[in-house]
Amino acid sequence: QVQLVQSGAEVKKPGTSVLVSCRASGYTFTDYYLHWVRQAPGQGLEWVGWINPNNGGIKFEQKFQGRITMTRDTSISTAYMELSGLKSDDTAVYYCARATTVISTGWGFYGMDVWGQGTTVTVSS
Amino acid sequence: DIQMTQSPSSLSASVGDRVTITCRASQSIDNYLNWYRQKPGKAPNLLIYSASKLQSGVPSRFSGSGSGTEFTLTISSLQPEDFATYYCQQAYTTPQFGPGTTVDVK
Repeated sequence: QVQLVQSGAEVKKPGTSVLVSCRASGYTFTDYYLHWVRQAPGQGLEWVGWINPNNGGIKFEQKFQGRITMTRDTSISTAYMELSGLKSDDTAVYYCARATTVISTGWGFYGMDVWGQGTTVTVSS
Repeated sequence: DIQMTQSPSSLSASVGDRVTITCRASQSIDNYLNWYRQKPGKAPNLLIYSASKLQSGVPSRFSGSGSGTEFTLTISSLQPEDFATYYCQQAYTTPQFGPGTTVDVK
């Protein structure tokens, strides 16, 4: 079945970096945009960015400028999100999510239909 | 930036109730509006896309309407699994989620 499996929980110190992975299975990885969405404890959903797994193109929320890297390895159908300069308010569950329709229809006008299980990132000194 | 709001922020209801949640955008987003349900400790689940289209596999008690700046999500007969938080998400520009509406037990 179509599935996104994320890497395990991380505890990081302020100022360091975290790398979260998202492995896709059950579909052609390069056919669908992949989004990253985070949720701080007790808070709502916040879009972080997307990657086009076909060509590696990315777009991210401006607040992460200079701190975020999104990459993919098509040979193992895996996307990565690295966030550097971690602060306490980066503490959140980070989700990867697949756009509902194929890349030719856009980055995700029709929502995100498959989600990973979430990766808890805790930033604490 | 487009601002998304939802009302109410929370509501209490009983099984079998009809529930309506409103989402507003600060400018027109045509019908680029999606709805999700999130149960505690779980990832969100897409319910409605393009304002009114039911995602495959989602029960027909869920429906969506609206265009432009005002949208509604209606649950015709609330089920036990529907006690959750609901988010709208605009897809007109880069994705943005509304603040959420929590539906709890009356």
